[in-house]
Amino acid sequence: DAGVIQSPRHEVTEMGQEVTLRCKPISGHNSLFWYRQTMMRGLELLIYFNNNVPIDDSGMPEDRFSAKMPNASFSTLKIQPSEPRDSAVYFCASRSTLRGISEKLFFGSGTQLSVL
Amino acid sequence: AQKVTQAQTEISVVEKEDVTLDCVYETRDTTYYLFWYKQPPSGELVFLIRRNSFDEQNEISGRYSWNFQKSTSSFNFTITASQVVDSAVYFCALSGPGANSKLTFGKGITLSVRP
Repeated sequence: DAGVIQSPRHEVTEMGQEVTLRCKPISGHNSLFWYRQTMMRGLELLIYFNNNVPIDDSGMPEDRFSAKMPNASFSTLKIQPSEPRDSAVYFCASRSTLRGISEKLFFGSGTQLSVL
Repeated sequence: AQKVTQAQTEISVVEKEDVTLDCVYETRDTTYYLFWYKQPPSGELVFLIRRNSFDEQNEISGRYSWNFQKSTSSFNFTITASQVVDSAVYFCALSGPGANSKLTFGKGITLSVRP
């Protein structure tokens, strides 16, 4: 199993540019999470999906952030326009919910985003 | 609302010392799950353990052990005979019971093990 795959691993962009982060969950997993990690705020949950439907997006910082999951094998997190304070590591994670309980999350390697 | 508190921010020990990482949680759910994850310097998040609220038995896995106490809402993690490879950030996390429950993380504890 390839695990959760995120791309790109690193992204450097200038303020005002659009940034798109991508995630491919583990095959068979039906729940997907986006987290952001910074020194100041730790690991923050931005949004999560179950069966491709957004369940809770209360962690999305503001309207500049949007996330989609068009199918079970792909999700994107978009920032438009990006700002320096968006610089962080963004993690995608997936899990199976078929047993109806809270299973462990499998994390991708993260995308290190730097907005100059 | 769920909350996870890891009051220790940084711990430094010498190799072979035992070290305990504290985790205190808050939840209104009667059924919930507790987790520990490790984040080594390479940056990935590695699952260590999941424990449900009905299982208060302590767990041991090699040099790692976990002490779950509902009475004090704590789920502490002990590394026995620490090694340099244990140097990492360790996160405690909490989830509600259902499949749609989100995982809430503590701020993490940076453990440095010196040779």
